[in-house]
Amino acid sequence: DTAVSQTPKYLVTQMGNDKSIKCEQNLGHDTMYWYKQDSKKFLKIMFSYNNKELIINETVPNRFSPKSPDKAHLNLHINSLELGDSAVYFCASRLAGNNEQFFGPGTRLTVL
Amino acid sequence: SQKIEQNSEALNIQEGKTATLTCNYTNYSPAYLQWYRQDPGRGPVFLLLIRENEKEKRKERLKVTFDTTLKQSLFHITASQPADSATYLCALDHGSSNTGKLIFGQGTTLQVKP
Repeated sequence: DTAVSQTPKYLVTQMGNDKSIKCEQNLGHDTMYWYKQDSKKFLKIMFSYNNKELIINETVPNRFSPKSPDKAHLNLHINSLELGDSAVYFCASRLAGNNEQFFGPGTRLTVL
Repeated sequence: SQKIEQNSEALNIQEGKTATLTCNYTNYSPAYLQWYRQDPGRGPVFLLLIRENEKEKRKERLKVTFDTTLKQSLFHITASQPADSATYLCALDHGSSNTGKLIFGQGTTLQVKP
């Protein structure tokens, strides 16, 4: 009964490849987020969707494209992967009106 | 530009003592400030939220203070235990829109020694 789940847990790939990370929440939340945590542990917001509508779009390369097929899912697709994309990516969700965010376990992406 | 800084990367204390972590921010007026705990290899877990009009918030052995004049929040763990060892993140929430956008500090890693 995992609240926020992400797949895969680990992703190792070559530069230039395209990859996707999936996120699902079963909490009934309507807002979902993608964060990037770099090697210095800084956690930075990338995107947010509310009921399938993009509401936060930080300054990230357009190689990153979020997709929300429904309010329980938020996927992250990355084109033409670069070495600097190596990081841990976290998905999170929140119920409207509440401030607390629930985070997934993270996906460690390593670009070789 | 907006900046949020947690006073130290690492803090080592003896079991039973009170751990005090600091979060400072500049060029920002958050409506809320949140604290999260992150264990190695896991996602952050929400601990406490304090509003701009609140001075102090408590939850079991945890206490958070918020001074909007100093632009600072202090996070205290009393009677610390080795199980409290983790990285603690503070996050600012502007609160003016419904996006829930959070700006995180870099975290302080707490090590409680038995």
